Amino acid sequence: DGGITQSPKYLFRKEGQNVTLSCEQNLNHDAMYWYRQDPGQGLRLIYYSQIVNDFQKGDIAEGYSVSREKKESFPLTVTSAQKNPTAFYLCASSLRTGGLGDTEAFFGQGTRLTVV
Amino acid sequence: AQSVTQPDIHITVSEGASLELRCNYSYGATPYLFWYVQSPGQGLQLLLKYFSGDTLVQGIKGFEAEFKRSQSSFNLRKPSVHWSDAAEYFCAVRTGNTPLVFGKGTRLSVIA
Repeated sequence: DGGITQSPKYLFRKEGQNVTLSCEQNLNHDAMYWYRQDPGQGLRLIYYSQIVNDFQKGDIAEGYSVSREKKESFPLTVTSAQKNPTAFYLCASSLRTGGLGDTEAFFGQGTRLTVV
Repeated sequence: AQSVTQPDIHITVSEGASLELRCNYSYGATPYLFWYVQSPGQGLQLLLKYFSGDTLVQGIKGFEAEFKRSQSSFNLRKPSVHWSDAAEYFCAVRTGNTPLVFGKGTRLSVIA
């Protein structure tokens, strides 16, 4: 079945450690996204990538890094510079159209990161 | 910049009652509009979307939404709510190839 796989579902890390969240899709989508979700805050964009080997910062990129070496994969690293990393992280993907934007995003099941 | 406002943080309705969740957007042109639903600890599932044409769109699970350009609104409705509809609902907009911009969500509780 086609879809987006995020792993792990739960992740615990000690403060000061970097941690990488995995996101893989087999939908043949060009664009991939990382969002952070906190209670009452909705979803806030961290990074996105529209093609391989290219990505752009979102609204809250500080303390995060990404790579896009393969079309299928868009891992997110939460670095020690992120001051409040405990959150629910959602990965999404979509087709990249000719600029109309008339495509929806498909979401993974999320990774809950807890930093202690 | 695009923005989405969902005025209601939490709504409680009785099972079988009708539902309307409000969404207003701020954008110069007509954006593409979406409603997503999220169960606790899960990802988001698309309920419906509006791109063009008929301003009343039908979605999954018996939901519908109406686009009103004059009010910059895209409200979600359901004529009869089921207990399984309890979840969080997000309105989102996009244009071009920009990422989706989300509202802060409305949590729906359903009581017997």
